[in-house]
Amino acid sequence: NAGVMQNPRHLVRRRGQEARLRCSPMKGHSHVYWYRQLPEEGLKFMVYLQKENIIDESGMPKERFSAEFPKEGPSILRIQQVVRGDSAAYFCATWGEAQETQYFGPGTRLLVL
Amino acid sequence: KNEVEQSPQNLTAQEGEFITINCSYSVGISALHWLQQHPGGGIVSLFMLSSGKKKHGRLIATINIQEKHSSLHITASHPRDSAVYICAVRGSQGNLIFGKGTKLSVKP
Repeated sequence: NAGVMQNPRHLVRRRGQEARLRCSPMKGHSHVYWYRQLPEEGLKFMVYLQKENIIDESGMPKERFSAEFPKEGPSILRIQQVVRGDSAAYFCATWGEAQETQYFGPGTRLLVL
Repeated sequence: KNEVEQSPQNLTAQEGEFITINCSYSVGISALHWLQQHPGGGIVSLFMLSSGKKKHGRLIATINIQEKHSSLHITASHPRDSAVYICAVRGSQGNLIFGKGTKLSVKP
């Protein structure tokens, strides 16, 4: 994954709680993509951020989901008032230098009870 | 209709067999990507193609831009090749648009 880090790797939440997923892209990279993989489904784009800016959030659910990438620190995907349908694997990724390879983090597996 | 379609959805092969996974897309693209998702969930990029053919070890990827079709071939398949293989095209903001994946199981 060339240094894309995500934590936690596994997260269990009860319905109604908040989930915070963190992603640190490779050193020197100032952009991040978030993707979601629902059980038995393909990966879907959620949001594209550059430092302090949301560039494209067309894949984000309209309610309860938000994302940020502050000047300092990791990118955060925040899910408020989680529901069982939010249970999924959430991946972040960045492009390599030559824009030929997208490097993925190991993912956060969210389980909502 | 999905922008990226893969077939087959599931594939079981015997060790040593030649494997082909197909991908068709409906949008204009500058490049197509093949990725592998391991049983543990990790995702790695295998190829980026904009034309022709690329080879890496036992893996070969081809693309036909006119027909909007790509294939991933695995020669002399091995049980360690068992994984989900995913085709993706690049969206306007650099995001990837994925097919649903092909789950490959290679039996010894």
